[in-house]
Parts: sequence; structure tokens; C-alpha cells
Amino acid sequence: DAGVIQSPRHEVTEMGQEVTLRCKPISGHNSLFWYRQTMMRGLELLIYFNNNVPIDDSGMPEDRFSAKMPNASFSTLKIQPSEPRDSAVYFCASSLALSVAGGLSSNEQFFGPGTRLTVL
Amino acid sequence: SQQGEEDPQALSIQEGENATMNCSYKTSINNLQWYRQNSGRGLVHLILIRSNEREKHSGRLRVTLDTSKKSSSLLITASRAADTASYFCATDLRSGGSYIPTFGRGTSLIVHP
Repeated sequence: DAGVIQSPRHEVTEMGQEVTLRCKPISGHNSLFWYRQTMMRGLELLIYFNNNVPIDDSGMPEDRFSAKMPNASFSTLKIQPSEPRDSAVYFCASSLALSVAGGLSSNEQFFGPGTRLTVL
Repeated sequence: SQQGEEDPQALSIQEGENATMNCSYKTSINNLQWYRQNSGRGLVHLILIRSNEREKHSGRLRVTLDTSKKSSSLLITASRAADTASYFCATDLRSGGSYIPTFGRGTSLIVHP
């Protein structure tokens, strides 16, 4: 397996432009996560999908951010319009969530290489 | 708010020495995980320890979990220059019907050859 695939690896855009980040999770995994990492705020969970359904999107900063998972093998994170403060490394990760008493438990996550976004 | 917090923020040691990093958390968890991140790369999973386990080993790594103190430690024995990286703990945070993994700010480890 090629692991989690993200594209593009680097994106430089101007303020106000739309940015779309893409992720292909590992085949057979049922959970997908989008994270943002900055020096100031560390690693932040933006949204978590399970079986293609958004489970927790409380980390999505504002309405400018949206994420979709139309099928088990593809997800997008869109920022529209982008702002300089969105500059960060965005990671996608996938895992096989475990059913435990009380719900779904997190399990080993496999991270993609990340997309380094720079908004000028 | 952060669920897990690593301590120390930075650690600098000589090759061959042991490195110990700690993680404290606030609420009850289902499991706790440790990850490593090399500069400019994605995180790599190291160990998962469940709430009913107290210690786990993987090669030169040893993880302990004390649920009464809400803390975990990661010990790297006989460190190597290649162990230079940031190390993160991730704890489950209950959110609705799921446990959401939340990461701390990490410990930056430098191993001098």
C-alpha cells in the first residue's frame, strides 16, 4: 500500500483565492482525519470522518473551511476565500476505528506527508 | 483546550543516553498513543497503550501509563542521532459517540552524536 496520499505537497496562493487539498486514505480504513499544524497552535484536529460521515467538525475554524468525503477513497478540504493566517501544514490521516463500549475509539493513525500551504 | 501535554518541551542528550518524555492529560481516556515526527514529515505511530494496561515495550521504546495520575511516559533507551525528532502523545477525548484523538504540543528531542 502506498500509504495516505495527499496533494498537492506545496501550495502557494494569494489571499482571497480558493484552495482545495486532497487526500486518499489507506484502503480498508474507516476513519479519516484532517489536521492543521502551526508553530503557534501545534497540531489541531479540524474534522473527523467515520464511514464517510463527518463525526466531529468542531475544529473547523470558520465557514471558510469545508470538507467532504464523497466515498471511502477520497476526501477534500477546501478553504474559500483563503487568508494569510491559513498558512500552515495540513495533514490527512486515516485509521481503522475500533468499536468499544461508549462508541468508536481512536486507533493507530497513518499520516500523509502533508500539504504546506502558504497564503500571501 | 489541550487534552494531553508533553513535558519537557525540549530535550537535548548525547547518543547512548536514555530519553524520557512525559504526557499528562485531564479526563479519563480509552487509550493513549505516542507518535514521532521528523522535521517536515508526517507523524509516525510508535505505540498505543490501552487504559487497562500499565506498561508496553517496542524495541528500544518503553511506555508506561498511570491512570490514577493521568500521566504516561515514553522512554527511549540507548538513544541514537536518528531518534532526533518531535514526540507527541495523543489521548482520546470523548465527543458524542466517539473518542477523538487529541495531540499535545510535543517534546522536541535532539540526540547529539
